[in-house]
Amino acid sequence: DAMVIQNPRYQVTQFGKPVTLSCSQTLNHNVMYWYQQKSSQAPKLLFHYYDKDFNNEADTPDNFQSRRPNTSFCFLDIRSPGLGDAAMYLCATSRGGAYNEQFFGPGTRLTVL
Amino acid sequence: AQTVTQSQPEMSVQEAETVTLSCTYDTSESDYYLFWYKQPPSRQMILVIRQEAYKQQNATENRFSVNFQKAAKSFSLKISDSQLGDAAMYFCAYLIQGAQKLVFGQGTRLTINP
Repeated sequence: DAMVIQNPRYQVTQFGKPVTLSCSQTLNHNVMYWYQQKSSQAPKLLFHYYDKDFNNEADTPDNFQSRRPNTSFCFLDIRSPGLGDAAMYLCATSRGGAYNEQFFGPGTRLTVL
Repeated sequence: AQTVTQSQPEMSVQEAETVTLSCTYDTSESDYYLFWYKQPPSRQMILVIRQEAYKQQNATENRFSVNFQKAAKSFSLKISDSQLGDAAMYFCAYLIQGAQKLVFGQGTRLTINP
């Protein structure tokens, strides 16, 4: 089945220690998104890639970076995680174009010690 | 700016009964889409139902249906014959045609009482 896969599902890191979260997709979608979701809140868009074009949200901290080496993979790098970065990180994809229904991965829950 | 408002942080319903979740939105656009997403506890967010703004007919997917009132900018979700598996956080979301960014409401946590 075509899908969005996130690894790992659970990640524990230490305060200030860089961490990378991974997302892959078999949908061959043009757009890949990263969201941060804190408990009982709506997902907050951090950035997205439309093909190779990177689009950062204005309020995304510099501490968050992303890479998309090819169509299938996208990575979220947190350079120096703080306690406030503990959250669920959701990856999503969409086809692009006029209608952009988004398909979500299961998420990676990040704990910062 | 587009906003989506879900005025019910929590709702509960007895199993087998019907519940309606409310959503209002604010936009000056004419071409857009509306969605209801379901996020069960510790599980993946999935699309429940979608509505194209240009369609007057309300969308229906099995036990899920919407009441789309374009002039009032209202988009409520009705769940009929509620089941225990319907327990989840429900997010209303809005998307401008051709845009990449979903605008989410704050969510409604739905509890199903057996």
